[in-house]
Amino acid sequence: DAGVTQSPTHLIKTRGQQVTLRCSPISGHKSVSWYQQVLGQGPQFIFQYYEKEERGRGNFPDRFSARQFPNYSSELNVNALLLGDSALYLCASSLQGATNEKLFFGSGTQLSVL
Amino acid sequence: EDQVTQSPEALRLQEGESSSLNCSYTVSGLRGLFWYRQDPGKGPEFLFTLYSAGEEKEKERLKATLTKKESFLHITAPKPEDSATYLCAVPGSARQLTFGSGTQLTVLP
Repeated sequence: DAGVTQSPTHLIKTRGQQVTLRCSPISGHKSVSWYQQVLGQGPQFIFQYYEKEERGRGNFPDRFSARQFPNYSSELNVNALLLGDSALYLCASSLQGATNEKLFFGSGTQLSVL
Repeated sequence: EDQVTQSPEALRLQEGESSSLNCSYTVSGLRGLFWYRQDPGKGPEFLFTLYSAGEEKEKERLKATLTKKESFLHITAPKPEDSATYLCAVPGSARQLTFGSGTQLTVLP
């Protein structure tokens, strides 16, 4: 069975541009979460979606937005990119999105902002 | 605010040299503690969930234990393929996992 898939794997943007990252969860999983991981740090929570509804939001500015589609795939959008947005963006899926469920992570999208 | 602190930041071991990684946490009402392994260029891979003090779980050369304030990941007779970053995390109140910064383990042949 396919795991969590993310696209693109790598992306280079310049300051002020906008970016869209995509994620397909494991089949049967209804919850998708997004995390940002800066080099040398642990992942930091951005959003969680379940059944197309936002269920949780981390401490990120409004430039970050996301949505979940009827097929449970998800997109993360970041507007007005800053140099500090350079990071590995991880998508994770789980069955129901409960707080004590284990998460299955994709390999991430490496975003570089120049 | 939930906090997770891992130590050491980096650990180099000779193959076969056992050791332990530490994860201390501050959280209001523990709903579990997770251990993940992350290889370079990949997302974290789930290892264990622990729910209550005194609980232990094992997988191959890894054993995770939990007390009321910290968790340990014991690595017995490690091999080079155990080299990775090990992350611990606790669930928060906003549907998130709060991660520590990880311990980068290198096992030398």
